[in-house]
Amino acid sequence: DQQVKQNSPSLSVQEGRISILNCDYTNSMFDYFLWYKKYPAEGPTFLISISSIKDKNEDGRFTVFLNKSAKHLSLHIVPSQPGDSAVYFCAAKRGWTGNQFYFGTGTSLTVIP
Amino acid sequence: DVKVTQSSRYLVKRTGEKVFLECVQDMDHENMFWYRQDPGLGLRLIYFSYDVKMKEKGDIPEGYSVSREKKERFSLILESASTNQTSMYLCASSISGHEKLFFGSGTQLSVL
Repeated sequence: DQQVKQNSPSLSVQEGRISILNCDYTNSMFDYFLWYKKYPAEGPTFLISISSIKDKNEDGRFTVFLNKSAKHLSLHIVPSQPGDSAVYFCAAKRGWTGNQFYFGTGTSLTVIP
Repeated sequence: DVKVTQSSRYLVKRTGEKVFLECVQDMDHENMFWYRQDPGLGLRLIYFSYDVKMKEKGDIPEGYSVSREKKERFSLILESASTNQTSMYLCASSISGHEKLFFGSGTQLSVL
């Protein structure tokens, strides 16, 4: 049973515009969330995270928003760049110190120059 | 920088063969993980280990086993490879109590 879901397998955005990637989770015990980025033939790399005590975390062009009541988070990339084209995975776990990560199915982002 | 190294980028094996996938990390991380990535299914956890000689089943352990004899090395074993084990295999490590996983580059395994 998929506890973390990314319902959009792919997304195309024009360079310079905003990319919004969405993620939903079902387990209310999850309280720490991460986004990973994966290029072809490479392992995923950590992008940004958020704890459930916050509703927003920002790092440069990347912002993650968390809506706990809706069990929903989103990643905003502004402005989008061609180098952002990759597969993005949402992940969740129980607590900052939790060791088991639960991943979504990924969203493939294409930024069109 | 943390380095997680997987021994092979591409591997082609025959049905029924015993397959070993090796992973080594150089940062003294306690935790190590094996995931497989399949289109439309994302990353699914096969096995993980909190310490030397310790192992825990993940979500899809059937057909796999693991070995962790040294802290830096975590091996995934396919006892008798089958075509449905054709996949991208990703190894990862983390420090206990740390927020992040660090991944290797992956091994694309094809079982014919």
